[in-house]
Amino acid sequence: KNQVEQSPQSLIILEGKNCTLQCNYTVSPFSNLRWYKQDTGRGPVSLTIMTFSENTKSNGRYTATLDADTKQSSLHITASQLSDSASYICVVSEWGYQKVTFGTGTKLQVIP
Amino acid sequence: DGGITQSPKYLFRKEGQNVTLSCEQNLNHDAMYWYRQDPGQGLRLIYYSQIVNDFQKGDIAEGYSVSREKKESFPLTVTSAQKNPTAFYLCASSMIGTGGTEAFFGQGTRLTVV
Repeated sequence: KNQVEQSPQSLIILEGKNCTLQCNYTVSPFSNLRWYKQDTGRGPVSLTIMTFSENTKSNGRYTATLDADTKQSSLHITASQLSDSASYICVVSEWGYQKVTFGTGTKLQVIP
Repeated sequence: DGGITQSPKYLFRKEGQNVTLSCEQNLNHDAMYWYRQDPGQGLRLIYYSQIVNDFQKGDIAEGYSVSREKKESFPLTVTSAQKNPTAFYLCASSMIGTGGTEAFFGQGTRLTVV
């Protein structure tokens, strides 16, 4: 069964600090991996999308990395802001198949 | 503006009633999905559709039904057979294709059984 595991489950950091969220998956064959940000009570919004051949991709203060050999991805947030407080969800798609597998998310809280 | 719209944002249902959640997209996407999100849990797939007049069950389809009569619309009916319907429901759409496909989400509907 395809799985996507995220860690940590929750995280509290001080404003201005950096943090890294982890995503491990077993989905095969792999198509792409996406990181989403979900504010409370809202729909997820895409941050980055990475295919097999991409190792890193940035979106402002967000940088995602992908190691397709070890099936691991990370999302690094630089110089965190209060508005970064949200859930971050890792989503992995199987090649040629539109059913995707969602991680349970990491809930990030940035405090002053 | 192109996008995906869910309505209503909040919905209250009495036990034993069926309710229908609306999902409309004007992105010309082929595929549409319905997910359920419970507190502390990830999104779980209810139903998905890749083409008009065709849809497939996801992981938790029991107690739900869908239709796809138009490319733009994918309504979800929560039936009285769904034992625990209180949850946050998300609709998404995406293009059909090879790697790099991105899903766009609606803003969600919070359903509460009273």
